[in-house]
Amino acid sequence: AQSVTQPDIHITVSEGASLELRCNYSYGATPYLFWYVQSPGQGLQLLLKYFSGDTLVQGIKGFEAEFKRSQSSFNLRKPSVHWSDAAEYFCAVAPPGTYKYIFGTGTRLKVLA
Amino acid sequence: DAMVIQNPRYQVTQFGKPVTLSCSQTLNHNVMYWYQQKSSQAPKLLFHYYDKDFNNEADTPDNFQSRRPNTSFCFLDIRSPGLGDAAMYLCATSRTSGTERSQPQHFGDGTRLSIL
Repeated sequence: AQSVTQPDIHITVSEGASLELRCNYSYGATPYLFWYVQSPGQGLQLLLKYFSGDTLVQGIKGFEAEFKRSQSSFNLRKPSVHWSDAAEYFCAVAPPGTYKYIFGTGTRLKVLA
Repeated sequence: DAMVIQNPRYQVTQFGKPVTLSCSQTLNHNVMYWYQQKSSQAPKLLFHYYDKDFNNEADTPDNFQSRRPNTSFCFLDIRSPGLGDAAMYLCATSRTSGTERSQPQHFGDGTRLSIL
């Protein structure tokens, strides 16, 4: 079945530590891939997107993501986390032939001072 | 700045009393979406408009309706809200043309709906 998986429901890191949030998808062809962040009580803000080309994508707020076709993954990374990064992170895909998103279940990030 | 604006940010209504949530956009995007998001869950697509064409998700209750009077505005109507309809409602927009897949969706800040 077509799906998007974010294996980690919660992640806690210390401020200044590195971060990696996982996202895996299962589609025959490469979908469009997105990462969004949602602060409490707010809407979703686009961090970055992958359509094609360079598999390492730079986004806003110091985030980057790497597309790995062989692993069907699109993991989000940040070298040094700030307390303001505490939020919910959603991976989303737009499968081939559609413009609607399939969302992962989200990963809640907690940052320790 | 071009954006997606949702009003109100917070809405309280009574059980069974109709309520309307609004969304406006200055992005001139042709697709507008309504999502329902419950606590600690991913957004769930209710329906969307592709230009003037309404597209309902198969599992969206009949209690939920939508109107798009023009490109810029879209409304979500809940005819008889139940306690289970308490949630955050998110509006999003995107630009899509022909067979091309869309550009990213842009989200508003949402309306948090409470049912008394």
